Amino acid sequence: DARVTQTPRHKVTEMGQEVTMRCQPILGHNTVFWYRQTMMQGLELLAYFRNRAPLDDSGMPKDRFSAEMPDATLATLKIQPSEPRDSAVYFCASGRGQAVNYEQYFGPGTRLTVT
Amino acid sequence: GQQLNQSPQSMFIQEGEDVSMNCTSSSIFNTWLWYKQDPGEGPVLLIALYKAGELTSNGRLTAQFGITRKDSFLNISASIPSDVGIYFCAGQSGFGNEKLTFGTGTRLTIIP
Repeated sequence: DARVTQTPRHKVTEMGQEVTMRCQPILGHNTVFWYRQTMMQGLELLAYFRNRAPLDDSGMPKDRFSAEMPDATLATLKIQPSEPRDSAVYFCASGRGQAVNYEQYFGPGTRLTVT
Repeated sequence: GQQLNQSPQSMFIQEGEDVSMNCTSSSIFNTWLWYKQDPGEGPVLLIALYKAGELTSNGRLTAQFGITRKDSFLNISASIPSDVGIYFCAGQSGFGNEKLTFGTGTRLTIIP
């Protein structure tokens, strides 16, 4: 049963600290997406990779957020320094890409609380 | 940017009732997807639609890709308690772009 995995599931940190969230996409998927979900804004796309190359990070605050794919099995989202307004649930999703279809499969999310 | 209007925002129904919800857009989409999100979990893909007019079922769920390509509908028949959750529509448009636009969600509650 192939699934997207995310770690940690929950993170509580103090303002100013660095936060790193990790995602393992489904094996064989070549697109990876990072989303942020809040009650006010709903699901927002932060960044998007195809074949490990960043294609769109226009939704991401560049001064404090960064997203990378060190290899095909790992995607990371970092926040440095974190702020209380970053408190949200962060989802990773993966897909097989436009050559196959546009379906995206979501991980369970990382619930981030910044105090 | 593109927006998806999803309605209703919330529904309160009794177990056994049928449910209908829809998504509309001011622009054309090439793919429509429907997701369900349970509390504390990520959205789960329910149904994917790829052609205008397409009608696809997944158990008690049926979704349709509108003929105009600007809307999609999701129906749930004979609702059961585990249907409770938030349902999201998502659309994809544009060549060479795998990004999805998500609706704001329909929260389904079943009244005992």
